[in-house]
Amino acid sequence: DAGVIQSPRHEVTEMGQEVTLRCKPISGHDYLFWYRQTMMRGLELLIYFNNNVPIDDSGMPEDRFSAKMPNASFSTLKIQPSEPRDSAVYFCASSSQGGTGAFFGQGTRLTVV
Amino acid sequence: GESVGLHLPTLSVQEGDNSIINCAYSNSASDYFIWYKQESGKGPQFIIDIRSNMDKRQGQRVTVLLNKTVKHLSLQIAATQPGDSAVYFCAEKAAGNKLTFGGGTRVLVKP
Repeated sequence: DAGVIQSPRHEVTEMGQEVTLRCKPISGHDYLFWYRQTMMRGLELLIYFNNNVPIDDSGMPEDRFSAKMPNASFSTLKIQPSEPRDSAVYFCASSSQGGTGAFFGQGTRLTVV
Repeated sequence: GESVGLHLPTLSVQEGDNSIINCAYSNSASDYFIWYKQESGKGPQFIIDIRSNMDKRQGQRVTVLLNKTVKHLSLQIAATQPGDSAVYFCAEKAAGNKLTFGGGTRVLVKP
């Protein structure tokens, strides 16, 4: 398996623009997580899904953030409109029921100017 | 993705020495604890885990100790190598496979 695949690896956008981050989890995993990593706040859980259903979105910072999982092999995290304070590395991770750890993708480095 | 930077506690260790990284957790209901390693430009990578009903688990060159009384977790790396230089995170898993991460410790291995 290729592991968790995220795209793009890097994204630079202007304030106010819409940004969409993509994730393909490991095949067979039924949990998918979106994390954000910054120097100030470390690794924060934004939202996670189980069997494509959002379970906990309490970490989503604002209504500007939304996430979807239309099927077991694809998820998106959208920010609209983007702001400079959204600049961070966004990670997607997946795990299986009964599995103890989550496997992370390489992350998307987002810069909003 | 770069790891959390300037505000991380840092452990400097001589190559060949043992490293001990500590972590305090908060949720008594967590059933698993996991250590991750994050190298520059990469996502966190699973190292080792331990169930809440255990107090020690060993892997290859790594040992995790769990003290539930004081909610403390540690990772010991034997014979630290240059490739061990990274940021290490502890994470606790509660119901629903939800992982909550600690702040991280940077390990610098000196040749």
